[in-house]
Amino acid sequence: DTEVTQTPKHLVMGMTNKKSLKCEQHMGHRAMYWYKQKAKKPPELMFVYSYEKLSINESVPSRFSPECPNSSLLNLHLHALQPEDSALYLCASSQVLGLIETQYFGPGTRLLVL
Amino acid sequence: DAKTTQPNSMESNEEEPVHLPCNHSTISGTDYIHWYRQLPSQGPEYVIHGLTSNVNNRMASLAIAEDRKSSTLILHRATLRDAAVYYCILRGGPGGTSYGKLTFGQGTILTVHP
Repeated sequence: DTEVTQTPKHLVMGMTNKKSLKCEQHMGHRAMYWYKQKAKKPPELMFVYSYEKLSINESVPSRFSPECPNSSLLNLHLHALQPEDSALYLCASSQVLGLIETQYFGPGTRLLVL
Repeated sequence: DAKTTQPNSMESNEEEPVHLPCNHSTISGTDYIHWYRQLPSQGPEYVIHGLTSNVNNRMASLAIAEDRKSSTLILHRATLRDAAVYYCILRGGPGGTSYGKLTFGQGTILTVHP
C-alpha cells in the first residue's frame, strides 16, 4: 500500500473560520510533509516532520499550524486565513527525511478562502 | 540551492519516444537529480533519480551528462497517460540547505497527441 490519503478533498472557509486538513499514511514512513500549490505553479514546501517532530518550517505564517499526533497522521490547522491562501494543499510522506528517499504524495485538499 | 532549467512545454505523439531536457549547471558533487511528474488533478509522483550514471526503471530512463550539468528524462514510448508536468529537481547532500527537500521548479508541460 503506497497510498497517502487526504481529507477533505475540497474545503470552503471564511476568513474567520477554523478548520483542519488531515493526512494519513500506513506505509510506516517517519517523514511527512505539507506543500502548498497555487494554480499553474509548482508545489512549495511548507513544513516537514521527521519522527513526529517539526524539522523544517519554511517561514510559513502562523495562521497555518501543523501537528503530527502520531507516525501515521499529519494535520494542518487553519485559522484566520486570507483569500490568497486559496490553493491545493498537498501532503507527502517518505520512509525517512533524507537525500534520496522517494516522497509519496496524496491527491491534495483544494481550499477556497472567501 | 542549485537551480534547474527546463523548457516550458513539449509535445509528442503517442507511441514515440520523448526526451525531456534539464539544465543544472550549478549542480554540486553531492546533489542527486530527481524527476517527478504531476498528472492533471493529482499529486506529484516519483519517476526516477540518479547521481552520475544513467539509470533505468519501468517508467523511464535518466541520461546524465558526463559533467553532470545537464540530464535528460527519456520516456521510451509515450502514451496519453504520460501527459503531465515533469519536474527536474536537485536534492542536496547532508549539511546543505536543501537536504531532504524537494524544491520544485516550473517544470515542463508534456502534451501527448493521439
